[in-house]
Amino acid sequence: DGGITQSPKYLFRKEGQNVTLSCEQNLNHDAMYWYRQDPGQGLRLIYYSQIVNDFQKGDIAEGYSVSREKKESFPLTVTSAQKNPTAFYLCASRPEGLDSPLHFGNGTRLTVT
Amino acid sequence: EDQVTQSPEALRLQEGESSSLNCSYTVSGLRGLFWYRQDPGKGPEFLFTLYSAGEEKEKERLKATLTKKESFLHITAPKPEDSATYLCAVRETSGSRLTFGEGTQLTVNP
Repeated sequence: DGGITQSPKYLFRKEGQNVTLSCEQNLNHDAMYWYRQDPGQGLRLIYYSQIVNDFQKGDIAEGYSVSREKKESFPLTVTSAQKNPTAFYLCASRPEGLDSPLHFGNGTRLTVT
Repeated sequence: EDQVTQSPEALRLQEGESSSLNCSYTVSGLRGLFWYRQDPGKGPEFLFTLYSAGEEKEKERLKATLTKKESFLHITAPKPEDSATYLCAVRETSGSRLTFGEGTQLTVNP
């Protein structure tokens, strides 16, 4: 079955530590995205990548970093510079064609204390 | 800047009680409006894409419609399994990214 796998489902970290969230897709999609979701707020775009070895900042990129070394993988690192890292993080991919919808993984809930 | 506003924030219905969710948008040029369903602790699941005013799409008890300023998601005779958060998003003609609204949390009581 093709899909997007985010791991782990729950992640706990101490303040001041960097943490990397995994996102893997076997849909052969070129474009991949990272969103953050907080209670009562819409999904906010962190970073996106339309092709391997290239990515762009979204609306809330500060305190985050990404890499896109392989088509299948788009890991997100939450650095200690991110002031409010506790949130639900969603990874998505999109097939070719701007009219195509995003396909989402089932998210990683990060708690930083 | 693209803006998407959904209302109401939360809606509680009895089973069989039809209603509508609203998504108002401001975008320089609309390439597509997307509806998603999200269950607690899960990622959003794609429902519909609408491209131009007057367009309608249906799936089971759901029907989505589009005007030049807003979209409605009509729910006919809902069942408890329709309980979820419904998200609306827009993509403008010049971009590849989606701008999401805050969602409407729907609860259908048996």
